[in-house]
Amino acid sequence: AQSVSQHNHHVILSEAASLELGCNYSYGGTVNLFWYVQYPGQHLQLLLKYFSGDPLVKGIKGFEAEFIKSKFSFNLRKPSVQWSDTAEYFCAVNDNNAGNMLTFGGGTRLMVKP
Amino acid sequence: NAGVMQNPRHLVRRRGQEARLRCSPMKGHSHVYWYRQLPEEGLKFMVYLQKENIIDESGMPKERFSAEFPKEGPSILRIQQVVRGDSAAYFCASSPGQNAGWAEKLFFGSGTQLSVL
Repeated sequence: AQSVSQHNHHVILSEAASLELGCNYSYGGTVNLFWYVQYPGQHLQLLLKYFSGDPLVKGIKGFEAEFIKSKFSFNLRKPSVQWSDTAEYFCAVNDNNAGNMLTFGGGTRLMVKP
Repeated sequence: NAGVMQNPRHLVRRRGQEARLRCSPMKGHSHVYWYRQLPEEGLKFMVYLQKENIIDESGMPKERFSAEFPKEGPSILRIQQVVRGDSAAYFCASSPGQNAGWAEKLFFGSGTQLSVL
């Protein structure tokens, strides 16, 4: 079965610092990869996704992620965070054996200090 | 477009009571997914339904949990005889179908926080 690991459970940064959140998955076949963000009290929102093509994916709000197949990784990055980026971030994977099901990582809570 | 609507936002039940969680998908979406988020954990898939059909219930606990998505009305996740361990956030998502690219059109609701006393 697929598993997704997010190694950082809590991250605290100051504004303007650079961000990288790790995500690793276990399945070695064809996968679709996602990052979701959940702002306090709100629903999950899709930040970006990778299905195929250029492994460097750009999403909303200045976020990007890089798919490295050899490392089974899909790390999320942002060059300069803002206070409004304070939220919980979830990596998710859909593999072609799992039908219409996403496997989520445990999430990373990001706090950006003003 | 009101998005995926879940109600109630917060639900408090005593042990042994029943919990009913509702999810209205986005307009034009005929597929509904339920996920559960236990404290300090990620979302775990529970069940995937189409109108009047359960497509995949591989993540549903074998007892006390059931889900339906009737022809008319919202999808319902029912938990009978709740226990403290059922306390969690329950999220619903919907998509227009199950074709390639379904995940790009997947939208989540704000969740129902179930607290069992």
